[in-house]
Amino acid sequence: QVQLVESGGGVVQPGRSLRLSCVASGFTFSSYGIHWARQAPGKGLEWVALISDDGRTKYYADSVKGRFTISRDNSKNTLYLQMNSLRAEDTAVYYCAKSERVATIMDAFDIWGQGTMVTVSS
Amino acid sequence: SYELTQPPSVSVSPGQTASITCSGDKLGDKYACWYQQKPGQSPELVIYQDTKRPSGIPERFSGSNSGNTATLTISGTQAMDEADYFCQAWDSNTGVFGGGTKLTVL
Repeated sequence: QVQLVESGGGVVQPGRSLRLSCVASGFTFSSYGIHWARQAPGKGLEWVALISDDGRTKYYADSVKGRFTISRDNSKNTLYLQMNSLRAEDTAVYYCAKSERVATIMDAFDIWGQGTMVTVSS
Repeated sequence: SYELTQPPSVSVSPGQTASITCSGDKLGDKYACWYQQKPGQSPELVIYQDTKRPSGIPERFSGSNSGNTATLTISGTQAMDEADYFCQAWDSNTGVFGGGTKLTVL
């Protein structure tokens, strides 16, 4: 069964850091680009970042560029999102999602995790 | 920055056809996809590469994309189709989502 499971969310003060993880199973993780997207409470979806299958190519939304870092460990089937200098507007459910096609990064997201909630508040 | 515009809400009677639009500059030159999200659930891909349906998505879901507008069409809409729908495309190495459309089946 193809699955993505996020973890690492929680309540954090403004300016602090948090690292999210996403563990994949049921598919060849190292063959697919993977993404982070988020959804603020009661709001729409926002793409956050992507990483290519080999980890060499990374792109970020302007809203997180310079503060967030996406990475992956293909030996552990795990995706990460290091979030620094967190702001109240980063409060959201964070989802990891898989590219639909092998070795394609700018693609539809065919599998989504259940999400992990990040709350930035003092 | 690139923007995708969707109507905030669409209403449809059971059994009728619902159409949800997504507008963006030269959107027809890009691939559009659509996600369905029900309350408390993660989004689910229902249309990708403009017109393709993932395995398990009912045939009543179809898509088109031309000019500046992509359209998600649900034929014979059922109560279970009531949800939020988001379009998505790529521009300049950035993923872009539409603001979402709440489909009400009444």
